[in-house]
Amino acid sequence: DAGVTQSPTHLIKTRGQHVTLRCSPISGHKSVSWYQQVLGQGPQFIFQYYEKEERGRGNFPDRFSARQFPNYSSELNVNALLLGDSALYLCASSFRTGPNEQFFGPGTRLTVL
Amino acid sequence: EDQVTQSPEALRLQEGESSSLNCSYTVSGLRGLFWYRQDPGKGPEFLFTLYSAGEEKEKERLKATLTKKESFLHITAPKPEDSATYLCAVQGFSSNDYKLSFGAGTTVTVRA
Repeated sequence: DAGVTQSPTHLIKTRGQHVTLRCSPISGHKSVSWYQQVLGQGPQFIFQYYEKEERGRGNFPDRFSARQFPNYSSELNVNALLLGDSALYLCASSFRTGPNEQFFGPGTRLTVL
Repeated sequence: EDQVTQSPEALRLQEGESSSLNCSYTVSGLRGLFWYRQDPGKGPEFLFTLYSAGEEKEKERLKATLTKKESFLHITAPKPEDSATYLCAVQGFSSNDYKLSFGAGTTVTVRA
């Protein structure tokens, strides 16, 4: 069975630009979460979507937004990129929201110059 | 706010030398504690879920245990392929009870 897929694998942008990251969950999973992982730290929660509705938002500025589509895939958008946005962006899927396992994709490495 | 602290930050082991990793947590009610393994540049790989104090889970050379304040990941007779960063995460009874709060991880290096 295919796991969580993310695209692109790597991305280089300059300050002020906009970026869109994409995620396809495991088949049958209805919840997608996004995390940011800076080198040397654990992942930090950004958003969770379940059944196409936002269920939670972490402490990130409004430059970060996301959405989930009818096929449960998801996009994370970041506007007005800053150098500090350089990180590994991880997507995780789970069957439902609440206390259950989240399975992570390989991540998108974003570098902002 | 849920908090997770992992120790040590780094652990260097000789092949076959057993050891334990610690995960201390503070939550307003634990819904689940999760262990992940992460290889450099890759996404975390799910290992275990623990839900209540006293629970234990095993997988190959790894064994996870849970108390009311901390969890341990025991690595028995490790091999070089066990080298990775091990992440602990919790999910608590809060307004964001669907998010995972992660520790910074313990980087394990096993030498042959």
